[in-house]
Amino acid sequence: DAGVTQSPTHLIKTRGQQVTLRCSPKSGHDTVSWYQQALGQGPQFIFQYYEEEERQRGNFPDRFSGHQFPNYSSELNVNALLLGDSALYLCASSQVKTGGATDTQYFGPGTRLTVL
Amino acid sequence: GESVGLHLPTLSVQEGDNSIINCAYSNSASDYFIWYKQESGKGPQFIIDIRSNMDKRQGQRVTVLLNKTVKHLSLQIAATQPGDSAVYFCAVLDSGGGADGLTFGKGTHLIIQP
Repeated sequence: DAGVTQSPTHLIKTRGQQVTLRCSPKSGHDTVSWYQQALGQGPQFIFQYYEEEERQRGNFPDRFSGHQFPNYSSELNVNALLLGDSALYLCASSQVKTGGATDTQYFGPGTRLTVL
Repeated sequence: GESVGLHLPTLSVQEGDNSIINCAYSNSASDYFIWYKQESGKGPQFIIDIRSNMDKRQGQRVTVLLNKTVKHLSLQIAATQPGDSAVYFCAVLDSGGGADGLTFGKGTHLIIQP
């Protein structure tokens, strides 16, 4: 049973560029959440996707956008990169339960983004 | 909004001893609590969870205690082993019937002394 996978593992970009990160959820999961983890901090919620739509969004600017595909995989796009966007970007997958709430979130290994 | 606090950023214990990691949360409406373990260079790994209708839950060598009166959560690890060395995060979810973004604490770095 494949777990959550993310690509690429590492990425180096320069300020002002755009980046796309990818995530494949755990088998049987239909919901993908994205988190940003700065060095020495806990993950911060960016947004969650279910049924190809953004369900909830954390306190992140519109430069952060996403997409979910019919096979439940997801992309995170960040435009106009800033130095402060350097972080580990984590994808977590889960399954919606009856009533709409999601079950336990399982994390992928993350993508380490460095902005120079 | 929810905030999740940390009691100790670093905890050092002797191998074989029990470890207790604490966490505090702010929102009394929070109804789902999870502990994650994160090793260096890896994503958070699910350890154990508990819902607000319970005050204790046990897993293999781990126990989570929830005190809703004081909004406090703890993770107990029995007979700590070298492989337990990692950063431990508590994460909290607020009920609402909709999408579920977790709020994480800053983490406790558990160091195992031989």
